[in-house]
Amino acid sequence: ETGVTQTPRHLVMGMTNKKSLKCEQHLGHNAMYWYKQSAKKPLELMFVYNFKEQTENNSVPSRFSPECPNSSHLFLHLHTLQPEDSALYLCASSQDAGANVLTFGAGSRLTVL
Amino acid sequence: DAKTTQPPSMDCAEGRAANLPCNHSTISGNEYVYWYRQIHSQGPQYIIHGLKNNETNEMASLIITEDRKSSTLILPHATLRDTAVYYCIVRPPPIRNSGNTGKLIFGQGTTLQVKP
Repeated sequence: ETGVTQTPRHLVMGMTNKKSLKCEQHLGHNAMYWYKQSAKKPLELMFVYNFKEQTENNSVPSRFSPECPNSSHLFLHLHTLQPEDSALYLCASSQDAGANVLTFGAGSRLTVL
Repeated sequence: DAKTTQPPSMDCAEGRAANLPCNHSTISGNEYVYWYRQIHSQGPQYIIHGLKNNETNEMASLIITEDRKSSTLILPHATLRDTAVYYCIVRPPPIRNSGNTGKLIFGQGTTLQVKP
């Protein structure tokens, strides 16, 4: 399998649930990212990881908790979310955290009830 | 990064060339022009980039004016699957591990509708 794979593609959760989004890349890249795209809005960068180390947290609320166990895997742990957190969550990777070419996954569509 | 201006929407007939303009009048001498597209409910996809010479790949051609203040992305034979939002982004040259990658700013882009 090649590219960036995100699971699940769709997720519905209540505000008290705990769930996780998973991202896996088979490109040999060293940097991985989480973006959020709300309806009718531009992409918003959430987190950046370079060689498994978090290098950027774009003032994201603590109810979103990222985890990067290795350069190929990235998780976004979700707990006590709000309805306004409903969005398309996109994972991306790049050769390193200085490249301008990102490869994106297809995204996980999250609905918080 | 230099600001870019794109028309909010465009239509194109299937099989015809789609020419998507982008203005970047404040571009600096070392900044590149990148194009991405996002098909509905999918992640953005890198298309092409260039500095000052015209570029072509299997997806598209990029024409950059001599003064570099504007550029045009050309899809030579648009298909219905090319219907998407197209983003023009100006970026400084890549510097390994600089931490600048995630700061790609995707604005509103141009929504291209390819019609049968």
